[in-house]
Amino acid sequence: QKEVEQNSGPLSVPEGAIASLNCTYSDRGSQSFFWYRQYSGKSPELIMFIYSNGDKEDGRFTAQLNKASQYVSLLIRDSQPSDSATYLCAGYGQNFVFGPGTRLSVLP
Amino acid sequence: DGGITQSPKYLFRKEGQNVTLSCEQNLNHDAMYWYRQDPGQGLRLIYYSQIVNDFQKGDIAEGYSVSREKKESFPLTVTSAQKNPTAFYLCASGHTGELFFGEGSRLTVL
Repeated sequence: QKEVEQNSGPLSVPEGAIASLNCTYSDRGSQSFFWYRQYSGKSPELIMFIYSNGDKEDGRFTAQLNKASQYVSLLIRDSQPSDSATYLCAGYGQNFVFGPGTRLSVLP
Repeated sequence: DGGITQSPKYLFRKEGQNVTLSCEQNLNHDAMYWYRQDPGQGLRLIYYSQIVNDFQKGDIAEGYSVSREKKESFPLTVTSAQKNPTAFYLCASGHTGELFFGEGSRLTVL
């Protein structure tokens, strides 16, 4: 069974802090990894993808991938209350496998 | 504008009725997907199609059916055989590994 695991949270951080979201995956055939943000009652929106080991930065977001440890993370710098949402991690090999999501709450 | 359009956004169904959820995309994507999301849960794959006139079952296909007669369209029928159909249904399309979602359809069985 191919799985992607995430801590369901909620993860609470104060405004302006760094939020760190983590994800592990079981399928070594997964080639690409995606982070989606989902506001309550809305559909997921893609915020980052990564397919090479190391870091990838886009504005306040940094995705990190360690294929040897089968570990993916998302860092959100200078967290804002508008970042409060559920963050879904997904791996793609032959198909997409989604984790259950981590609920992030940024406190003003 | 390019995107994925799902309709209806909200749907109420009586037990024993079949309902069809529409999904249309103008992104020229080959692959299309249907997911189900229950409160506080992740996404579970119902069906997917990587080419016209071909589709495959996902993890929870029982009680659902699909068709892919056109590249742009991938409707999902929730049949009366689906025991617990109340959920948020998401259609997605993608290529080169990226996946984009429609706004979703929320189905409630009365």
